[in-house]
Amino acid sequence: GNSVTQMEGPVTLSEEAFLTINCTYTATGYPSLFWYVQYPGEGLQLLLKATKADDKGSNKGFEATYRKETTSFHLEKGSVQVSDSAVYFCAQLSGGYNKLIFGAGTRLAVHP
Amino acid sequence: SQTIHQWPATLVQPVGSPLSLECTVEGTSNPNLYWYRQAAGRGLQLLFYSVGIGQISSEVPQNLSASRPQDRQFILSSKKLLLSDSGFYLCAWSVKSGLEAFFGQGTRLTVV
Repeated sequence: GNSVTQMEGPVTLSEEAFLTINCTYTATGYPSLFWYVQYPGEGLQLLLKATKADDKGSNKGFEATYRKETTSFHLEKGSVQVSDSAVYFCAQLSGGYNKLIFGAGTRLAVHP
Repeated sequence: SQTIHQWPATLVQPVGSPLSLECTVEGTSNPNLYWYRQAAGRGLQLLFYSVGIGQISSEVPQNLSASRPQDRQFILSSKKLLLSDSGFYLCAWSVKSGLEAFFGQGTRLTVV
């Protein structure tokens, strides 16, 4: 069945470091892909999305490119801030009705 | 603007007790509604979704049930909780024509 696999955390970085969180998916066809973020004490919110191959989603300095050749959607940011500390979830749409399949989540901790 | 309310934020319940978690959405009509759960060390898993009043689809067999008595109300229930029901429960909604899901702040349930 369809699935999403993302790198385990926690990921600990110093402020201004480069961030990569890996995400790969298995699916029939080319589903829309998402990154959601959960800040401490809050619900999930959409960070960025890509709806077709080679699309690049971007928001708040984060980017992810939909790579069908490698079935990947890695999240990157060139210079992280302490305020980026959160849990990041990779997800794909699956099976209609806007149902989402999520990865396990990756906790990011950024220290000054 | 649309908002989603989910309560309670945290809950500690003994094994064998009943459960009722409630979720309401404001500012939209006829949304798709969802219940997700995150068990410890695992990703978010879709439990139930609903495309209309009284219409419930279950994604995984389990000890829980869901109901949608009103257009913007979604309830997650159990008659007798198990230890394995512990986890973080998230309610979400989406418009039928859109891609993005909007999440509540979640309920952390601990069954003791």
